[in-house]
Amino acid sequence: AQSVTQLDSQVPVFEEAPVELRCNYSSSVSVYLFWYVQYPNQGLQLLLKYLSGSTLVKGINGFEAEFNKSQTSFHLRKPSVHISDTAEYFCAVSLFGNEKLTFGTGTRLTIIP
Amino acid sequence: DAGITQSPRYKITETGRQVTLMCHQTWSHSYMFWYRQDLGHGLRLIYYSAAADITDKGEVPDGYVVSRSKTENFPLTLESATRSQTSVYFCASSDSSGGGSYEQYFGPGTRLTVT
Repeated sequence: AQSVTQLDSQVPVFEEAPVELRCNYSSSVSVYLFWYVQYPNQGLQLLLKYLSGSTLVKGINGFEAEFNKSQTSFHLRKPSVHISDTAEYFCAVSLFGNEKLTFGTGTRLTIIP
Repeated sequence: DAGITQSPRYKITETGRQVTLMCHQTWSHSYMFWYRQDLGHGLRLIYYSAAADITDKGEVPDGYVVSRSKTENFPLTLESATRSQTSVYFCASSDSSGGGSYEQYFGPGTRLTVT
């Protein structure tokens, strides 16, 4: 079975500073990878996904992530954060061709003015 | 309005009562999912459905029942609510047709408190 680890439960970052949110996964077969964002009191929405092709994936709101198969990682980055990026971020994995997602425990990103 | 909706948004119930959470989507997506969100656990899959009349267990199905008689609806029933089922429940849907994006679309959630 697949699993996802988000080691950082909380990440405080100063406004306009860069940020990296870490995600590692475990699976014996090919996977699809996702980052979802949850703003306060809302449901989740997709930031970006990796299905195949280029390992550098660009998403909404200036976020990007890089799939690293050898390190089984899919870290999320943004070069300059804004107050509006305050949210919880979830990494998720699904097996190739499978609709079911397995989520990590989430990272709460707090932007310091 | 198009999209995925959940009702009620907030619910307080007592231990032992039956509770049904509703989920409705207007996209005719084939797949629908129920998750619970708890601090320290992220989102955990309770049940999912690949199509009308096809359902299957997820990671934490005990104490829950689902049905899917119509493609657009996927209700979740707690047959006898327990305090451990206090949580935020999210419904989601995805389109598995050819060339599907594998993206799941989430509802706004139902905050359930069992006293």
